Amino acid sequence: GAGVSQSPRYKVAKRGQDVALRCDPISGHVSLFWYQQALGQGPEFLTYFQNEAQLDKSGLPSDRFFAERPEGSVSTLKIQRTQQEDSAVYLCASSTLAGGYNEQFFGPGTRLTVL
Amino acid sequence: GENVEQHPSTLSVQEGDSAVIKCTYSDSASNYFPWYKQELGKRPQLIIDIRSNVGEKKDQRIAVTLNKTAKHFSLHITETQPEDSAVYFCAPRVGGNNRLAFGKGNQVVVIP
Repeated sequence: GAGVSQSPRYKVAKRGQDVALRCDPISGHVSLFWYQQALGQGPEFLTYFQNEAQLDKSGLPSDRFFAERPEGSVSTLKIQRTQQEDSAVYLCASSTLAGGYNEQFFGPGTRLTVL
Repeated sequence: GENVEQHPSTLSVQEGDSAVIKCTYSDSASNYFPWYKQELGKRPQLIIDIRSNVGEKKDQRIAVTLNKTAKHFSLHITETQPEDSAVYFCAPRVGGNNRLAFGKGNQVVVIP
């Protein structure tokens, strides 16, 4: 079956532009996570959804970052007024149940470059 | 806190030898301990995980051992092959939350 997909795969933005990154989780997966991975670093948690409820947004670096999952499936991560330090790969992951013992399946990521 | 550290940062091994990498964490409430493998330009993929009520788990050439008292867990790869070359991340689950706290990664290079 299809895995987690993300679009676009690459995004170049000028500083100050707004961007929207999309994640299509595996069908039926309850949990959805967003991570930010800077070059040479491990993924860093941004936010977590259980169905349409955003249960944890403590990892969002500033109020320029906003995520939603209105119908409990597709999710969008929006970054307003992009800055150079936002350049990173944004990874989405989904897992089948609400509990924490379940494998998180990652998408291919969106590589964001802010000029 | 979520202090997660991985050592060594880079490990080179001859093909056929074993590789061991260690992860230490600080959150005593952590109860789930996965290892992810990430090849260059690819997505992280789970290779093995262990829960806190188990001390060791094996899957063919890969094993994970957990010492909850000392707050560390290790990845063991035996009979290494060139395709094992990748970055390996430990990512203990932060207690009381579903988030994973990734370390900075270990670069493993298998020399043919």
